[in-house]
Formats: sequence, structure tokens, C-alpha cells
Amino acid sequence: GQQVMQIPQYQHVQEGEDFTTYCNSSTTLSNIQWYKQRPGGHPVFLIQLVKSGEVKKQKRLTFQFGEAKKNSSLHITATQTTDVGTYFCAALDSSYKLIFGSGTRLLVRP
Amino acid sequence: DAGVIQSPRHEVTEMGQEVTLRCKPISGHNSLFWYRQTMMRGLELLIYFNNNVPIDDSGMPEDRFSAKMPNASFSTLKIQPSEPRDSAVYFCASRSQTGRQFFGPGTRLTVL
Repeated sequence: GQQVMQIPQYQHVQEGEDFTTYCNSSTTLSNIQWYKQRPGGHPVFLIQLVKSGEVKKQKRLTFQFGEAKKNSSLHITATQTTDVGTYFCAALDSSYKLIFGSGTRLLVRP
Repeated sequence: DAGVIQSPRHEVTEMGQEVTLRCKPISGHNSLFWYRQTMMRGLELLIYFNNNVPIDDSGMPEDRFSAKMPNASFSTLKIQPSEPRDSAVYFCASRSQTGRQFFGPGTRLTVL
């Protein structure tokens, strides 16, 4: 079945530093979604990317979808303590269910 | 809109007991998903329904797990009998027409 690999597993940064998480698939993806889960919370939808090479921004967050639609990244500029949580990418498979990556847990030192 | 509603929020039970988790999806969403999350296995899809019909239950661990969706506004996930390894957070999610999934707050299950 389709798999989505996500790295790194953990990232510990100093507040103000940048952060990036990467998502890769061996197959072409129809779209990619990103979710954030705060500690003790539930996954919350951030964004969906559909087009090859698409780049979207939400304040300090930049999301990219690769030209071949096999990879994606989420970049946070100048992290803040409010960015703490686990970031998941997820892709639709052929039966229209979301396949989630394993997540990247972000810790921010104040 | 109240979002996806799950109950109970916390459940502590003893091994061998039956556990029933409940979910009310967002009105108008046609797809409903049950997930299980643990530190070891991450976020796993157990089953999903489309228009109240189970479409894919390949993630259901074994026959002790069953799920129903008798109508568009209610679903249950039942574990009978429960075992300590079932301890996890169980999330229900519903999906909008745009493909965005909305998760409920989850049920934290502890089986002693």
C-alpha cells in the first residue's frame, strides 16, 4: 500500500530558529495535507496542496509540494513556543482515505 | 458548529470488559473515520465509512473490534473484550467536501 515517509522524527530548536519537516512518497500523490497536533490535543488541519510545485504561506509557515508530486515540506521561520507540537503530512490513497506520515515532533526552547 | 463530538473523553476499564466509544460527525460530512494513536504505532486508521457504509476496515486489529454507523450523525466503535494493549487515544474524524478532515477531541482509553 501507499506509504508516506516523514523526517525528522524529532526536532529540538531554540526559539527564533527555523524548522523544516519533509514528507516523501515513492508514488505520485494526488494531493498532500498538513496537520498540527498540540501536546494532549487532536490533529488540526493546516493546509492542502494539490498542484505540482505549489507553494503556500500562512504567516511564518511555508508549505511546498514538489514538482513531481512525490514530496512536500513545511518550513517554519523564526519558531515560537506556540509552534510546539507534532506536524503530520497526509496523502490521499486510491480509496480516498488519508495515509498519515509518522509525524515530526517539534520542541522549542524559550 | 460544535465540531466532531466524541464521548467519553476518558475511559478506564478492566481487561475483559466491553468498551463503546461514540462519535457525532459534523453535519453534512459524508465520510467518517476512526483512528487509534499510540506512541509506538503513531496514528493508525481503523475503519472508514462513506454515506454510513463501511468502505475500508482493513485497519481493524482483530474481531474484538467492531464499528457501526446506523445513521449520518452517529457512529460507535466497540471493543469486546478489551485488553491492556488496546490502551490508546481513539480519534473520530469527519471529512468535508473539500477533503479536509476534522478530528474530534479523542477518547483516552486505559485498559487495566
